[in-house]
Amino acid sequence: NAGVTQTPKFQVLKTGQSMTLQCAQDMNHNSMYWYRQDPGMGLRLIYYSASEGTTDKGEVPNGYNVSRLNKREFSLRLESAAPSQTSVYFCASSAYPYEQFFGPGTRLTVL
Amino acid sequence: AQTVTQSQPEMSVQEAETVTLSCTYDTSESDYYLFWYKQPPSRQMILVIRQEAYKQQNATENRFSVNFQKAAKSFSLKISDSQLGDAAMYFCAYRTGHYGGATNKLIFGTGTLLAVQP
Repeated sequence: NAGVTQTPKFQVLKTGQSMTLQCAQDMNHNSMYWYRQDPGMGLRLIYYSASEGTTDKGEVPNGYNVSRLNKREFSLRLESAAPSQTSVYFCASSAYPYEQFFGPGTRLTVL
Repeated sequence: AQTVTQSQPEMSVQEAETVTLSCTYDTSESDYYLFWYKQPPSRQMILVIRQEAYKQQNATENRFSVNFQKAAKSFSLKISDSQLGDAAMYFCAYRTGHYGGATNKLIFGTGTLLAVQP
């Protein structure tokens, strides 16, 4: 089992460019999440999907969109990247009531 | 709304010694879960230990144990016989015990960076 995988691992964008971060899990979990991690702020929830076919906003959703493509895959899209979106992005999945399993993260820099 | 507070941005411990990382949380719920995650320099988030609020017994995983004080809303992590590989950022996290979509979210503290001195 690969667990939670994310692509790409690193990305540099220019302001205004768009991109999609991909996430997949092979643990048959219902719930999936996208977080961003910034220095001194811990992990903050961007969007989540409680089950296939549903998505909801988290704490910091502005500037992002998500798609729960199927039970395995949950993508995060930046339509027009801004320097404030420079961060490390983590995808996670879980099966109630247990812990969340995290992917390796994507380091995104927006110039 | 629930909050998680880690008041120690950085801690240091000598190899083979014991260190305790603090975490407090605020909630009006009686049923919930608490977690400690470790993030080494590789960035990977690794679960260290989990505590169910309905359990009075403190969770233990090898050298890692917690001191769960439900009335005080305190959830500290004790690392015994510290090793160089324990050096990492440690995050405390909270999740409600109620089942259902939004309630599966984790609420994280801001983390404690632990250094282990040889």
